[in-house]
Amino acid sequence: NAGVMQNPRHLVRRRGQEARLRCSPMKGHSHVYWYRQLPEEGLKFMVYLQKENIIDESGMPKERFSAEFPKEGPSILRIQQVVRGDSAAYFCASSRGLAGVGPSYNEQFFGPGTRLTVL
Amino acid sequence: DQQVKQNSPSLSVQEGRISILNCDYTNSMFDYFLWYKKYPAEGPTFLISISSIKDKNEDGRFTVFLNKSAKHLSLHIVPSQPGDSAVYFCAGRSYNTDKLIFGTGTRLQVFP
Repeated sequence: NAGVMQNPRHLVRRRGQEARLRCSPMKGHSHVYWYRQLPEEGLKFMVYLQKENIIDESGMPKERFSAEFPKEGPSILRIQQVVRGDSAAYFCASSRGLAGVGPSYNEQFFGPGTRLTVL
Repeated sequence: DQQVKQNSPSLSVQEGRISILNCDYTNSMFDYFLWYKKYPAEGPTFLISISSIKDKNEDGRFTVFLNKSAKHLSLHIVPSQPGDSAVYFCAGRSYNTDKLIFGTGTRLQVFP
C-alpha cells in the first residue's frame, strides 16, 4: 500500500492522558499536514511540516499540542493532558511539497484518519 | 472566520440526473480550489481542482466552474450515480501557503 498510513485508526484516552498519533507519508513525499475534523464540521488545518522543520503551525492550539516530523520515522502529533473537546478525527496528508512548480505538484493525499475519543 | 462556505449541508438527487454542489469563498488570496470526496470512516480523496486563472475544468462526469467576480464555485456531476453518495468538501489554497481551507461539506445522496 503506497498511500498515506496513519495509526492507530482508533484511540481511546481518559482525560489527562497523552495521545500520540502517527503518520507515514506516501513514498517520495517530504511534506506532511495535519488536519482535525470535529463532529459535524469541516477539516481544519493544524500544522504543516517538512523533515525536521515546522513550516506553518498557525492552526495548532497554543497549549498541549505539538507535532514533529523527524529525519527518520513517521510524523507524530502529540496531545498532552487530553480533554473531552479533543475528541475528533485527525487526518494526515502528504505532498511532494514543491511549492511554486505548479498546483498539481502540491496535491495533498490524505490518510484514513485517527479517531480519538476522550472519556 | 469561515473563509470557505458550503451553505447546503445536504443534497438528494435521483440517479442519472445532474448534481450541483455549491461553494462560496471570501479570501481573495486563494489561487487554487479543490473538491474532495469523503466516505464515512475514510480520509478525503481528491476529486477535481481548478486554478484561479481558469473558469472551468472538466474530468469525465465531473466539472468544476469558477466565478471569481462572485467568489463562487460549483461542482457538477452528470450523470449522478449511487456510488457518488458521499460528503463533498470544497477547499481553497492561498498562493503563499500550502495549507487548505475547507468548507463544512455537503452530503450528497443519489437514489435510484
